[in-house]
Amino acid sequence: NAGVTQTPKFQVLKTGQSMTLQCAQDMNHNSMYWYRQDPGMGLRLIYYSASEGTTDKGEVPNGYNVSRLNKREFSLRLESAAPSQTSVYFCASSEGSRGHTDTQYFGPGTRLTVL
Amino acid sequence: AQSVTQPDIHITVSEGASLELRCNYSYGATPYLFWYVQSPGQGLQLLLKYFSGDTLVQGIKGFEAEFKRSQSSFNLRKPSVHWSDAAEYFCAVGLTGGFKTIFGAGTRLFVKA
Repeated sequence: NAGVTQTPKFQVLKTGQSMTLQCAQDMNHNSMYWYRQDPGMGLRLIYYSASEGTTDKGEVPNGYNVSRLNKREFSLRLESAAPSQTSVYFCASSEGSRGHTDTQYFGPGTRLTVL
Repeated sequence: AQSVTQPDIHITVSEGASLELRCNYSYGATPYLFWYVQSPGQGLQLLLKYFSGDTLVQGIKGFEAEFKRSQSSFNLRKPSVHWSDAAEYFCAVGLTGGFKTIFGAGTRLFVKA
C-alpha cells in the first residue's frame, strides 16, 4: 500500500514551458486535492476533485489546470510556467466527499523551480 | 475572513522537556480542527483532529490538543519531547459548507540534546 505517490520529485522549468505533475492514490479515496506550499504561507488549495469526473477551483487556481483521469489519478498541469509558480506542490486524498471534515493523506511533494 | 494563526514561526525545546504549540483561528461557525506534522522532505501526516465532544483530544505519537472556544484556540501539547519530534507542525481549520481547509503558516520545532 503506497498511499499517495507523486512524480516527479524535483523539476526545473524555464519560463513559458509546460509540464504535468502526476498524482496517484491506492486507497480507493473519493476526493483528491492539489496544494502549493510557499514559505511562511502554509498550504493553499489549487484545485480539488470531490469524486471521479468532477473538479473545482480552490483558493489559487490561476495558471493551472487539472484532470481527474480516474478514481486513482489526479494530475496538475502548468500550461505556461511563470517564476511565481516556483513552489512545493502536494497532492492529497481523502476517503469521503465532504472535504472539510475529512482526514487528508498527503504525497511526498514535488519541488518545482521556474527560472 | 477565516484565518488560522500560528504565532511562533519556530520553537526550540530540549529533549525531554514539555512542548506547547499555539494555534488561533478566526471562523464564525463550528470549526473542524486538525493538527498535521511534516517531517523534512515528507508530506503532511495527521496528528489529531477535533470535531465535537470532549475538548481534549489525543493523537498519535503522544500528542494532545485542547479546544478552547472562548479563546478560539486549539493548542498542541506533548509532555516530553523526543528528538524525532523535530518537524514542522501545521494547524488547520475545515470550513463547513465547502471543500476548503485553511492551513496555518506552520511552526518549525527544533529539539536540542
